[in-house]
Amino acid sequence: QQQVKQSPQSLIVQKGGISIINCAYENTAFDYFPWYQQFPGKGPALLIAIRPDVSEKKEGRFTISFNKSAKQFSLHIMDSQPGDSATYFCAASYSGYALNFGKGTSLLVTP
Amino acid sequence: IAGITQAPTSQILAAGRRMTLRCTQDMRHNAMYWYRQDLGLGLRLIHYSNTAGTTGKGEVPDGYSVSRANTDDFPLTLASAVPSQTSVYFCASSARGQGSYGYTFGSGTRLTVV
Repeated sequence: QQQVKQSPQSLIVQKGGISIINCAYENTAFDYFPWYQQFPGKGPALLIAIRPDVSEKKEGRFTISFNKSAKQFSLHIMDSQPGDSATYFCAASYSGYALNFGKGTSLLVTP
Repeated sequence: IAGITQAPTSQILAAGRRMTLRCTQDMRHNAMYWYRQDLGLGLRLIHYSNTAGTTGKGEVPDGYSVSRANTDDFPLTLASAVPSQTSVYFCASSARGQGSYGYTFGSGTRLTVV
């Protein structure tokens, strides 16, 4: 039973465009929602994270939007660049227990 | 450089053989995890350890075992490898209970069982 559902599976965006990746969860006890970025041949790296007491968090070109009532959160990449081409994973956990990951989104930003 | 070291980086293993994947961290994180990554399936938790001396089963523990004798090391053992264990294995750690939930991942071990 997958606890975090991620979409789309793949995404192609033109340079300068906005990339949007969505995730949904079922467990209302989740209290930590991170996004990880993974380049080929590397381990995932923490990109940005949010807790349910805020609706939005922004770090540079990356923004998490969080909708507690809908049990959904999304990653927005503004002004997408070819260097952003990677696989992105959303995740969720409760009180620091093991993260439950989505299946990942492969993002390609074309020049 | 602080982080997680995994070894080997890749391995081809005959089915039925025993294999231990090594994982060492130098950040003094209390929690450690093993995930496997398969195309289209994302990252699935195999085993975890919230603190030295304790371990727990994740989503896909069958065929794998772990131990946590000290804070820094968290080896993953395949007792008798099967082809379905062909995957990329990632070790991770976090300062769970120490104010930070973010994971640090190693670079992975690519294992092929033939």
